[in-house]
Amino acid sequence: GAVVSQHPSWVICKSGTSVKIECRSLDFQATTMFWYRQFPKQSLMLMATSNEGSKATYEQGVEKDKFLINHASLTLSTLTVTSAHPEDSSFYICSARVLWDSNQPQHFGDGTRLSIL
Amino acid sequence: QKEVEQDPGPLSVPEGAIVSLNCTYSNSAFQYFMWYRQYSRKGPELLMYTYSSGNKEDGRFTAQVDKSSKYISLFIRDSQPSDSATYLCAMRANTGGFKTIFGAGTRLFVKA
Repeated sequence: GAVVSQHPSWVICKSGTSVKIECRSLDFQATTMFWYRQFPKQSLMLMATSNEGSKATYEQGVEKDKFLINHASLTLSTLTVTSAHPEDSSFYICSARVLWDSNQPQHFGDGTRLSIL
Repeated sequence: QKEVEQDPGPLSVPEGAIVSLNCTYSNSAFQYFMWYRQYSRKGPELLMYTYSSGNKEDGRFTAQVDKSSKYISLFIRDSQPSDSATYLCAMRANTGGFKTIFGAGTRLFVKA
């Protein structure tokens, strides 16, 4: 149980384009999903907390106009990197927590490698 | 001082060894403690989840929490090459918006 699916797993695109990453909880409902960024050999950096039906909460230093988050249903959150540039290249990972018990831990997707040329 | 301290390693052990991974923390409000395993270019996978102090065992894995010392451990018995990965400790308080704090991760190599 508690499977989180993230798509795509790898994307390469040109500088200036926008990229959308999807995060789905497959066998549970999640009011809260989290988006992380991870650089090579470093730990997870929380970017934002995505709440179903309301605006996402961004961490300090994360540009909300750059990283658009939509959490339209209890099983889907999307992260759109707008006008992506090479410095946005990174590994993006989402996670979700079971709806019915906020004491439960987060379960992670397999991440998306984003490469901006 | 970081809220959670974890030695990044790398830690290299022979196959069959007992591995000990540790984290220390400074926030006494932390109540929930997790260990995740992350293979290269994959998302973290939940290994162990404990509440408050004590031990928890699952197969070859044992998690220990000592809240008085603000110290948590993960032991891996009979380590296998497939255990080679980065291990992240994580912890969370019962209040404050449930933000989970992650350690830096320890890279483990188990040599055949």
